[in-house]
Amino acid sequence: DQQVKQNSPSLSVQEGRISILNCDYTNSMFDYFLWYKKYPAEGPTFLISISSIKDKNEDGRFTVFLNKSAKHLSLHIVPSQPGDSAVYFCAASGVPVQAGTALIFGKGTTLSVSS
Amino acid sequence: DAGVTQSPTHLIKTRGQQVTLRCSPKSGHDTVSWYQQALGQGPQFIFQYYEEEERQRGNFPDRFSGHQFPNYSSELNVNALLLGDSALYLCASSVGGSGEQYFGPGTRLTVT
Repeated sequence: DQQVKQNSPSLSVQEGRISILNCDYTNSMFDYFLWYKKYPAEGPTFLISISSIKDKNEDGRFTVFLNKSAKHLSLHIVPSQPGDSAVYFCAASGVPVQAGTALIFGKGTTLSVSS
Repeated sequence: DAGVTQSPTHLIKTRGQQVTLRCSPKSGHDTVSWYQQALGQGPQFIFQYYEEEERQRGNFPDRFSGHQFPNYSSELNVNALLLGDSALYLCASSVGGSGEQYFGPGTRLTVT
């Protein structure tokens, strides 16, 4: 049973427009959420994160929104650039106690930004 | 400042053999996690090492084992390889309980 779901396998956006990537989760114990970007033949690169005590976190062109009641988060990229074309993974983790901080990943969404 | 490094980059093994993958964490990081990424899937958590001990383990059989050394580097060992073990193996490092994990480029394992 998938605890983190990215229901859109792909998304196509024109350069300069907004990209919105969505993610749903089922485990209410998740406390911390992250977005990673992955290019082919490279490891995932950390983009932005948000704690469950916040509903928004912004870093440059990237903003993550968290709706805990709906168990939903989204990543907004504004403006989108061709270099943003990659696979985007949503990940979640529980409270970082002695049990560790395993990340649970979604299957990813492939973003294509055309110029 | 070197990031997370992994070796080897690619590896081809035969079913039934054993393999060892290596990882050096980002400078200043003390925790190493290993993930398996199959084609078209997100990374799946294998286990995490902290202070040379396995702190948390995902849903993987005992054929998967690991080790962390005093310098925080780590190894992943897989025994009795199966065709289904073919995947990209990712190492990630972090500081203690920090949720942000930084990934290496991965080792592509092919089992024939």
